Amino acid sequence: DVKVTQSSRYLVKRTGEKVFLECVQDMDHENMFWYRQDPGLGLRLIYFSYDVKMKEKGDIPEGYSVSREKKERFSLILESASTNQTSMYLCASSLSLAWETQYFGPGTRLLVL
Amino acid sequence: AQRVTQPEKLLSVFKGAPVELKCNYSYSGSPELFWYVQYSRQRLQLLLRHISRESIKGFTADLNKGETSFHLKKPFAQEEDSAMYYCALSNRDDKIIFGKGTRLHILP
Repeated sequence: DVKVTQSSRYLVKRTGEKVFLECVQDMDHENMFWYRQDPGLGLRLIYFSYDVKMKEKGDIPEGYSVSREKKERFSLILESASTNQTSMYLCASSLSLAWETQYFGPGTRLLVL
Repeated sequence: AQRVTQPEKLLSVFKGAPVELKCNYSYSGSPELFWYVQYSRQRLQLLLRHISRESIKGFTADLNKGETSFHLKKPFAQEEDSAMYYCALSNRDDKIIFGKGTRLHILP
């Protein structure tokens, strides 16, 4: 059974803080993804990674960066948090190509004050 | 450009009535299409994909290439079907694109 875990369920940060969101998957998946989920906007892809140390920009990468030093771990970094980054962040992984089933983590609800 | 459109933000259906969640897509090649579901307080998960041609929890979806649609259907709604539903498209060598979602509310 695939398990994708995210380091925090809820986070409250102040404007300008550096924020780290961690995601870990335990099924040796090659692909990992970070989305943000907002009411009325659906899921929007921030960054994805097809391999260790490899990253690709998604649809809304501005204000974010990522790190993938190990296959099982994919981190999302907000260099200087802003209030418009208040959102639900979802991590996902898939076995190989993007068109394989994606397995999602429980989400991290981030509030930036 | 690839696009997934779910025209309804909210759909309310009485228990026992048929359900149809609409999804239209824009893509020039042969897409891979999915429906994902998120029940209250649960993580987003795959409901079905068109290549499998299977029925999950009584739901089916047929790819209509002529109308570029992949509507999700169920003949008799159940209260436990209340959830957020996302249609998604992949072009097989890139990322998946999600629609904005439809919240299905089953009325008792």
